[in-house]
Amino acid sequence: NFMLTQPHSVSESPGKTVTISCTRNSGGIGNSYVQWYQQRPGSSPTIVIYEDNQRPSGVPDRFSGSIDRSSNSASLTISGLRTEDEADYYCQSYDSTNRWVFGGGTKLTVL
Amino acid sequence: QITLKESGPTLVKPTQTLTLTCTFSGFSLTTSRVGVGWIRQPPGKALEWLALIYWDDDERYSPSLKSRLTITKDTSKNQVVLTMTNMDPVDTATYFCARRPPTGTLYFDYWGQGTLVTVSS
Repeated sequence: NFMLTQPHSVSESPGKTVTISCTRNSGGIGNSYVQWYQQRPGSSPTIVIYEDNQRPSGVPDRFSGSIDRSSNSASLTISGLRTEDEADYYCQSYDSTNRWVFGGGTKLTVL
Repeated sequence: QITLKESGPTLVKPTQTLTLTCTFSGFSLTTSRVGVGWIRQPPGKALEWLALIYWDDDERYSPSLKSRLTITKDTSKNQVVLTMTNMDPVDTATYFCARRPPTGTLYFDYWGQGTLVTVSS
């Protein structure tokens, strides 16, 4: 099975743009779709990006996703940061036998 | 409106078997491609996928926990049950159930509120 590695934490100021990376350690990042979840303190996770770059209805277009095959990583970009974006973010994918994998999570601080 | 809710013991002793039930509404586990999975999160730590069962009875398990897990479904009751054997204090976590939707790829679109399970003697 593969692993997804995320930075432990990132911080940025309100109104700015932040990017969170998710690096796959084996197999190509394009082999399976990557999803992103937001988890605010004390709450359950919610999906913000699926299938690499698709936004569910209700998720603002300030959230975008992408993959980079050269670095074998996926990225979540949040523009126009708001204090309400402060949360933990997790990437998720799956292997060829449909076993799911979560990244270690990134704590986003908006200061 | 789609909802999922986890239920089960809040405290289990080491070596005991944990049984958790996910009761859901607003969708059917007989619908093609739908699945219900379990994910856990130790206090202050990351999410960990445990298992998932699909509409067609296909079961998937985390490789590291496969020997200890069993997932079953009761479509008449709209429930999915997870059992985990030989519980240890390191299994202390909030356990979530979540739905894999009928369209798109493998992700969870609705989550339960989670239930905290503490393993201690």
